[in-house]
Amino acid sequence: GAGVSQSPSNKVTEKGKDVELRCDPISGHTALYWYRQSLGQGLEFLIYFQGNSAPDKSGLPSDRFSAERTGGSVSTLTIQRTQQEDSAVYLCASSLVANPSWTSYEQYFGPGTRLTVT
Amino acid sequence: AQTVTQSQPEMSVQEAETVTLSCTYDTSESDYYLFWYKQPPSRQMILVIRQEAYKQQNATENRFSVNFQKAAKSFSLKISDSQLGDAAMYFCAYSRDDMRFGAGTRLTVKP
Repeated sequence: GAGVSQSPSNKVTEKGKDVELRCDPISGHTALYWYRQSLGQGLEFLIYFQGNSAPDKSGLPSDRFSAERTGGSVSTLTIQRTQQEDSAVYLCASSLVANPSWTSYEQYFGPGTRLTVT
Repeated sequence: AQTVTQSQPEMSVQEAETVTLSCTYDTSESDYYLFWYKQPPSRQMILVIRQEAYKQQNATENRFSVNFQKAAKSFSLKISDSQLGDAAMYFCAYSRDDMRFGAGTRLTVKP
């Protein structure tokens, strides 16, 4: 039973470049979540998927951020034209299901991707 | 919007003693879930305990228990018989339409 995996574990990129972060959820989990954790801060909710669809994208910080999920499994979070304030740990989580009205199931977290924009 | 507040950025406890971490939240909903997550230095988030708002009984998980005061919108975590392995960041979270986390409390356990 593999857990949630994320790649890369660390990414250093130059300001202005695009980056792609990958999340592989637990098999059978239909819901997938992306969070951002800035240094010493709490978790900021970015987006969640139920299957391949994302009902609410309002948590994404700017239009430079996008996420997709295909085949109800792997998800990628893309940040275009990275800025220094994008530096953070990006955490992915999955759960068995996300009720359309509320998220009530335990979320299992991946180890995160530490993004550093220089 | 729902907000979650953890007013203690840092807490310290002696090994084998008891510590309580505070959490308050703001919501107009009556049905929701509350969670405490632990994040050790490895960064791996681990669920500690979960409370359904419709349940009056406080959740308990071994040495971890909560004091859920729905009217006061308070959800504190009590750790009994603290162990060195309990040292971590602890995040309180509220879940309804999405999940909102507090800023976290860093717990240090002194031997």
